[in-house]
Amino acid sequence: GNSVTQMEGPVTLSEEAFLTINCTYTATGYPSLFWYVQYPGEGLQLLLKATKADDKGSNKGFEATYRKETTSFHLEKGSVQVSDSAVYFCALRPLGAGGTSYGKLTFGQGTILTVHP
Amino acid sequence: SQTIHQWPATLVQPVGSPLSLECTVEGTSNPNLYWYRQAAGRGLQLLFYSVGIGQISSEVPQNLSASRPQDRQFILSSKKLLLSDSGFYLCAWSLHYEQYFGPGTRLTVT
Repeated sequence: GNSVTQMEGPVTLSEEAFLTINCTYTATGYPSLFWYVQYPGEGLQLLLKATKADDKGSNKGFEATYRKETTSFHLEKGSVQVSDSAVYFCALRPLGAGGTSYGKLTFGQGTILTVHP
Repeated sequence: SQTIHQWPATLVQPVGSPLSLECTVEGTSNPNLYWYRQAAGRGLQLLFYSVGIGQISSEVPQNLSASRPQDRQFILSSKKLLLSDSGFYLCAWSLHYEQYFGPGTRLTVT
């Protein structure tokens, strides 16, 4: 079946540090990949996405590249801010999921990021 | 643009009481709709999904149920709440690849 594995965390960084949150996946074919962010007490927000191999998703200074050869979609940011403190979720949507899979996503367990001033 | 609403935002209910959480989507037609539960601010558990009015699929057997009486309305219900039903309930919609989430309902069962 499909699965997503994220680094355990929590991740604690100082402001302006470099961020990497690892995400690897298991799926058949070429799934679509996503990163979501959840701020305290809120719902999930789509941060970025990639729908095919070698695509790079980017938004708000965050980037992730779809690596088919390593089945990975690691999230990176060059300089984090206190306002980036949140829980980050990696997710996949299987190829051809418009049919019997009904667009269901498989989520990782989430990684807590805390950024100190 | 599309928006998704959930209410109430917070709810405190005694064990054994009924539950009704509502989710509505604006600005789109015939979306797929989803109910998730999140415990301890971490992993998401898919509870139900719907691809159309009256069409509900359950992912996990439990004392919760879902209904979709209108195209853009999705309701999560229970006849008798358990302590283990406490959590953060999230509704989401999708048309193509990504899902978009509502603000959530924090349910505490006492």
